[in-house]
Amino acid sequence: DIVMTQSPTSMSISVGDRVTMNCKASQNVGSNVDWYQQKTGQSPKLLIYKASNRYTGVPDRFTGSGSGTDFTFTISNMQAEDLAVYYCMQSNSYPRTFGGGTKLELK
Amino acid sequence: QVTLKESGPGILQPSQTLSLTCSFSGFSLSTSGICVSWIRQPSGKGLEWLATICWEDSKGYNPSLKNRLTISKDTSNNQAFLKITSVDTADTAIYYCARIQDTSGYYVMDAWGQGASVTVSS
Repeated sequence: DIVMTQSPTSMSISVGDRVTMNCKASQNVGSNVDWYQQKTGQSPKLLIYKASNRYTGVPDRFTGSGSGTDFTFTISNMQAEDLAVYYCMQSNSYPRTFGGGTKLELK
Repeated sequence: QVTLKESGPGILQPSQTLSLTCSFSGFSLSTSGICVSWIRQPSGKGLEWLATICWEDSKGYNPSLKNRLTISKDTSNNQAFLKITSVDTADTAIYYCARIQDTSGYYVMDAWGQGASVTVSS
């Protein structure tokens, strides 16, 4: 199985901050990485697919980049509503595997 | 509007078989490029992909569950199903179903249900 390692596991941030988190795959997954947002008590929501494509209706403050084994997710201007856990997932091969998540908390 | 809703027994005992149903609307599992996946999440923990079934009846399973999984669909009634045999406390989790659709040749899990809570306890 492909192991997805996210870092950091948590971040203390302020509204307006630029937030960057990382996801590293244990082997080459091309551009086949998606990013999900999960708010407390809710199901995950797709934000970015195929490393850098913003899903329909997702604000442009959310961006993704990377290829191969290293991927980055950025929130350019953190809003209070963005407090959540963010997960990467590789869709290059089965079984699909998720990273452990990065939790954003208010400073 | 795409919606999915999971249903299950809520509580079951170790060694029993867990049967889950995903009822959906706004899309059809007979449409080319459409699949449904099951994913679970133990309380306070991360996400684990379990299985996927697609429009042409292809199926994929997480090998970590060692042949305990069976995924199926009822296209006429817009439902997908997951069975997990021989459950134990480690299967306690929220179980989600999600639609996968072909987006320009790339399959994305773009709509999720609210989740069904399952507790395995004696």
